[in-house]
Amino acid sequence: DIVMTQSPDSLAVSLGERATINCKSSQSVLYSSNNKNYLAWYQQKPGQPPKLLIYWASTRESGVPDRFSGSGSGTDFTLTISSLQAEDVAVYYCHQHYNIPFTFGPGTKVDIK
Amino acid sequence: EVHLLESGGGLVQPGGSLRLSCAASGFTFSSYDMSWVRQAPGKGLEWVSVISGSGDSTHYADSVKGRFTISRDNSKNTLYLQMNTLRAEDTAVYYCAKGAGASWYSVLDYWGQGTLVTVSS
Repeated sequence: DIVMTQSPDSLAVSLGERATINCKSSQSVLYSSNNKNYLAWYQQKPGQPPKLLIYWASTRESGVPDRFSGSGSGTDFTLTISSLQAEDVAVYYCHQHYNIPFTFGPGTKVDIK
Repeated sequence: EVHLLESGGGLVQPGGSLRLSCAASGFTFSSYDMSWVRQAPGKGLEWVSVISGSGDSTHYADSVKGRFTISRDNSKNTLYLQMNTLRAEDTAVYYCAKGAGASWYSVLDYWGQGTLVTVSS
């Protein structure tokens, strides 16, 4: 199974400041045939289901604010919130859909400082 | 608009059974793989199972293999999860989620609100 790790476990950022979350997979999730990373980012607010933010490691889902961006390839990935807003308080999960069983990172909790 | 609505959760004793349903609307149900993902109280996300659009292929997490069965009725636009021999560690909110494409390996783009399953005596 591909193990997903995230860092930090939690972070507190001032409104308007940058938040950066890292995700690492135990093996590459880059599919050479199409050069796509099978890595997604989800946002989950309390009492709500996960919401897809980013897929293919760096493609923003429709309707997601452009302050959210994803980067990385292979085994190392980053989710960046360029200017944190109050509504961004949530837990963020990375997710690999390269291999079955699909797996998720443990989550990173983002709060306001 | 895509809409997924789970039902069937509740309190069940260890060793018991439960059948979850997920009613789908707003898309051509039979064209997309569907998954179940669960989340234990206060914990992270765990993928449980996936089924192809036609329903003829399935995969399971090792933690549920042999106990859970995923199925679908494309005429009713409904996804199911039959859960047998339930254990305390199966206690979780169970989400159904839609694959974004026709491949096993599509990202999960829409999720239901979830249904809570509690396994306890």
